Amino acid sequence: EVQLVQSGAEVKKPGESLKISCKGSGYSFSSHWIGWVRQRPGKGLEWMGIIYPGDSDARYSPSFQGQVTISVDKSINTAYLQWDTLRAPDTARYYCARVRNSYGPFDYWGQGTLLTVSS
Amino acid sequence: DIQMTQSPSSLSASVGDRVTITCRASQSISNYLNWYQQKPGRAPKLIISSASFLQSGVTSRFSGSGSGTYFTLTIYSLQPEDSATYYCQQSYSDLFSFGPGTKVEIK
Repeated sequence: EVQLVQSGAEVKKPGESLKISCKGSGYSFSSHWIGWVRQRPGKGLEWMGIIYPGDSDARYSPSFQGQVTISVDKSINTAYLQWDTLRAPDTARYYCARVRNSYGPFDYWGQGTLLTVSS
Repeated sequence: DIQMTQSPSSLSASVGDRVTITCRASQSISNYLNWYQQKPGRAPKLIISSASFLQSGVTSRFSGSGSGTYFTLTIYSLQPEDSATYYCQQSYSDLFSFGPGTKVEIK
């Protein structure tokens, strides 16, 4: 069974750093792109970027380029989303999702990680 | 970037109604168009891929069509459990993007 399990909720202060994780199981982790999606409270889905675990090739939405870093450790089947300097507008739920194939749909999703940034 | 738009932004319909949501892309995306259903507090769920392929286990009340820049998601005979927000997403370019969503409510 394909599963993506994300790390738990976080409460951080502005200016702090953070790395959240997404662990895949039940499939060949290195062979499928993994993406990250932001959803602010009461708002829609925003595509942040994707990474290919096989070679760590990462692509970013222009809206998120330079704001976050997507990385992966294929030895432990885990993808990461990282912030160096958090701000209040980063408050959101963040989902990771697996890209099925070259046609691109996100076919399996993690449960989401809720991030609250507040002083 | 490829921009995605959806209409309407929300709708309210009765049980048994046929509901249609439209999605437009700012440039041709062939059939690289996916639809997701999201219920409150839940992760999105893929319901249709490649514009018209119904995912396994998804009720046949859902149907997708279109190509190029214009796509539709139709829900035949709306049921209470279909109350959700629906998002289209293009996967034509390396930089996928979502539409803003359509909230479907039951009258």
